[in-house]
Amino acid sequence: DIVMTQSPDSLAVSLGERATINCKSSQSVLSSSNNKNYLAWYQQKPGQPPKLLIYWASTRESGVPDRFSGSGSGTDFTLTISSLQAEDVAVYYCQHYHSIPITFGQGTRLEIK
Amino acid sequence: EVQLVESGGGLIQPGGSLRLSCAASGFSVSSNYMSWVRQAPGKGLEWVSVIYSGGSTYYADSVKGRFTISRDNSKNTVYLQVNSLRVDDTAVYFCARSLNTEVYFDYWGHGTLVTVSS
Repeated sequence: DIVMTQSPDSLAVSLGERATINCKSSQSVLSSSNNKNYLAWYQQKPGQPPKLLIYWASTRESGVPDRFSGSGSGTDFTLTISSLQAEDVAVYYCQHYHSIPITFGQGTRLEIK
Repeated sequence: EVQLVESGGGLIQPGGSLRLSCAASGFSVSSNYMSWVRQAPGKGLEWVSVIYSGGSTYYADSVKGRFTISRDNSKNTVYLQVNSLRVDDTAVYFCARSLNTEVYFDYWGHGTLVTVSS
């Protein structure tokens, strides 16, 4: 199974500042057949289901603000929020979909400093 | 509008069974990959099972042999039969859709809570 490890576990950032969350997979999630990284990012607010932010490591889901961006390849990935807004307080998860079983990172809690 | 509505959760004793339902609207469950993902109280997300559009099914090792995913195309509903429940199966169970043939989730239901306790 591919193990997904996020860092840090929690993060406090000032409003308007950049927030960076890292995700590392125990095996590459880059497909040699299509050169795509099978990596997604989700945002979960209290009492709500997760919301898809990013797929294919860097493709923003429709309707997601452009302050959210994803980068990385192979085993190392990053979710960046360029200018933190109050509504971005949430837990963020990465997920690989390279193979079954699908696995998620443990989550990163993002708060306002 | 795409909607997923789960039901069927509740309080159940260890060893018991439940059938969870996920009623879909705005799209056809038979044309999409559909999954169940669970979240224990205060914990992270754990993928449980998927049913492909072609009917193939897959499970996490933690539930293999105890849980069964299925669908009823006429009711546009996906099910998760959960048997031999254990205390550590206690979680909110989310139904989630994958738009394409890749298992990331573009729509989620609000979940149904399963509590396994004596």
